[in-house]
Amino acid sequence: SAVISQKPSRDICQRGTSLTIQCQVDSQVTMMFWYRQQPGQSLTLIATANQGSEATYESGFVIDKFPISRPNLTFSTLTVSNMSPEDSSIYLCSARTSVYEQYFGPGTRLTVT
Amino acid sequence: KQEVTQIPAALSVPEGENLVLNCSFTDSAIYNLQWFRQDPGKGLTSLLLIQSSQREQTSGRLNASLDKSSGRSTLYIAASQPGDSATYLCAVNSGYSTLTFGKGTMLLVSP
Repeated sequence: SAVISQKPSRDICQRGTSLTIQCQVDSQVTMMFWYRQQPGQSLTLIATANQGSEATYESGFVIDKFPISRPNLTFSTLTVSNMSPEDSSIYLCSARTSVYEQYFGPGTRLTVT
Repeated sequence: KQEVTQIPAALSVPEGENLVLNCSFTDSAIYNLQWFRQDPGKGLTSLLLIQSSQREQTSGRLNASLDKSSGRSTLYIAASQPGDSATYLCAVNSGYSTLTFGKGTMLLVSP
C-alpha cells in the first residue's frame, strides 16, 4: 500500500495568483497522477506526473496552466497558475503501486476569490 | 472512450439494511475495477480492488462483484451503519495510466 500526504490541505487565493500543491508518498511508486474534483462532480484526471520528464496532460489541460514536477519516485508538485474562480476545486494527488491499485491523498481544497 | 455510470445517484436507508450499489462501464476491456469511499471534503479511501480475472472481492461487510462481459460491478454492503454514510465511487482501469470514475452514489444511513 501507499500513504500519501498533501500540502496545503486547503487555501483561499486571490484571482490571478498561483498556488503550488505538494504531494509526498511514503514509498517509491511507479506512477503519480493529479486529479481535479469540481464541486458536485466526480474526479477528472489532469495529468500523469513522469519522473524526470514532462508530465502527460489530458485533453483540456495544459502545462502553462498546470505545471507539474516530479523530481523523484516519491514526490510531485502541481501548480495552479493565474487562478480564476473556475479553478475552485479539490485537487487530489494519486499514486499507483506495481499491482495497479491506486491510492489517493487527502486532497487540497482550493477556493479562488 | 470508457464511460462509467453509477446507479443510484443517492440512497437513503435506515441502519441495519443490506444494500447494493451499481456500477456499469461501456468498454469491457479493463485491467481492474476499484471501489472507493469519499467522505465530504476529503480524499478517497480504497475499499476493494477487483482484477479483471476475478469475480468478486470481500472485505468485512463489503462485497464487490465483477461481470466484465456485461460491463457491470456491484458493491454490496451488509448490515449498514451510520458510519457508512459517504459517497461511493467506482473507477475502472482501462489502460496503463487512466482511471475512469463514475459520478458516485451518495449514501446516507440513518440511525
